[in-house]
Amino acid sequence: EAAVTQSPRNKVAVTGGKVTLSCNQTNNHNNMYWYRQDTGHGLRLIHYSYGAGSTEKGDIPDGYKASRPSQENFSLILELATPSQTSVYFCASGERARGDSDYTFGSGTRLLVI
Amino acid sequence: QQKVQQSPESLSVPEGGMASFNCTSSDRNFQYFWWYRQHSGEGPKALMSIFSDGDKKEGRFTAHLNKASLHVSLHIRDSQPSDSALYFCAASEPPDTNAYKVIFGKGTHLHVLP
Repeated sequence: EAAVTQSPRNKVAVTGGKVTLSCNQTNNHNNMYWYRQDTGHGLRLIHYSYGAGSTEKGDIPDGYKASRPSQENFSLILELATPSQTSVYFCASGERARGDSDYTFGSGTRLLVI
Repeated sequence: QQKVQQSPESLSVPEGGMASFNCTSSDRNFQYFWWYRQHSGEGPKALMSIFSDGDKKEGRFTAHLNKASLHVSLHIRDSQPSDSALYFCAASEPPDTNAYKVIFGKGTHLHVLP
């Protein structure tokens, strides 16, 4: 079954440390996305990608980097983690819609920065 | 300013009742709409998309789009306790553009009371 898998599911990081969140999709979708979800803000787009080797800035990219080494994998990197980056992060994959949505989300990574 | 505005923030309906949500895009570039549902502890899952003026019905769910006002609504008839979740409206640019960002609203919490 096509899916989006995120790892780790939960992560505790120290302030100033490096954090890498991983995402793998088996949907063969070109586009992949990273969102964070916070109470009162909904889902906010951090970075996205059109395909292997491409990364684009979303609406809140500051403090985050992204890497798309292959069609299947898309990582979100926090080089110097801060407590304000404590959140739930969701990865999604999708295609340019041809009439219906192919946007598939992973189960999320809960990150706590202390 | 949030490009996708949702109302209400929270909604309680009795089991078997009708639940209705509203959503408006403030950016005419974002006029292709989706509704997503997120149960606690899970990632959002797509419910339905609507790209054309008028109604679209899928089972107990009906979406209505007015492109002139960029307003979309979702109605759930015969609401069930399992419908209790966070409902997101999402809007995107035309699917044939390279940008193809999808922007989410803050969501509406639905509580279906047994």
